[in-house]
Amino acid sequence: EVQLLESGGGLAQRGGSLRLSCTASGFIFGNFYMNWVRQAPGKGLEWVSSIDNSGYNTYYADFVKGQFTISRDNARNTLYLQMDSLRAEDTAMYYCAKGSSGYFYFFDDWGQGTLVAVSS
Amino acid sequence: DIQMTQSPSSLSASVGDRVTITCRSSQALSGWLAWYQQKPGKAPKALIYATFSLPSGVPSRFSGSGSGTEFTLTITSLQPEDFATYYCQQYHSYPLTFGGGTRVEIK
Repeated sequence: EVQLLESGGGLAQRGGSLRLSCTASGFIFGNFYMNWVRQAPGKGLEWVSSIDNSGYNTYYADFVKGQFTISRDNARNTLYLQMDSLRAEDTAMYYCAKGSSGYFYFFDDWGQGTLVAVSS
Repeated sequence: DIQMTQSPSSLSASVGDRVTITCRSSQALSGWLAWYQQKPGKAPKALIYATFSLPSGVPSRFSGSGSGTEFTLTITSLQPEDFATYYCQQYHSYPLTFGGGTRVEIK
């Protein structure tokens, strides 16, 4: 059974930093793209970032480019999101999502999320 | 960027009803369209991928159809556990984008 467990969320000050982690189990972590998706309170889903299985190629939504950094440690089965220069609008639940197999992938498994709140 | 437009944004329906949700994309997706279900306080769950394929464990009352830029999620005979918010998502190209969501409420 695939399990994705996010951690690292919490209250941060505007301009501050947080590092989210997602620990995976139940599948061969190094074989799949991994992703972060967020959801602001009462709002819809918003893709944030993706990383290929090797960690060499990364992709970002324009609104976090240069602010967030996605990375992975395949030896530790862990995905990361380094969040810097946090803004109030970054307040959201952040979900880790596993990509399905194939070049074109959807999000076939999701973690329960970790909540990030940025105070002004 | 590919824009995804869902309609309606909300609907009220009764148990046993047939429900249809539409998703339109600003560019052709070559079928790379997924649907997700999200219940309050829970993570999203994949319902449909590649326009019409169901992941293992998804009930057959859910179906997807469409092509090009127009796609549909249909729930035949709505069940109590189906009251939730549904999102479409394109995975044809980055940035990956979601529709705004459709909230299905009890009439």
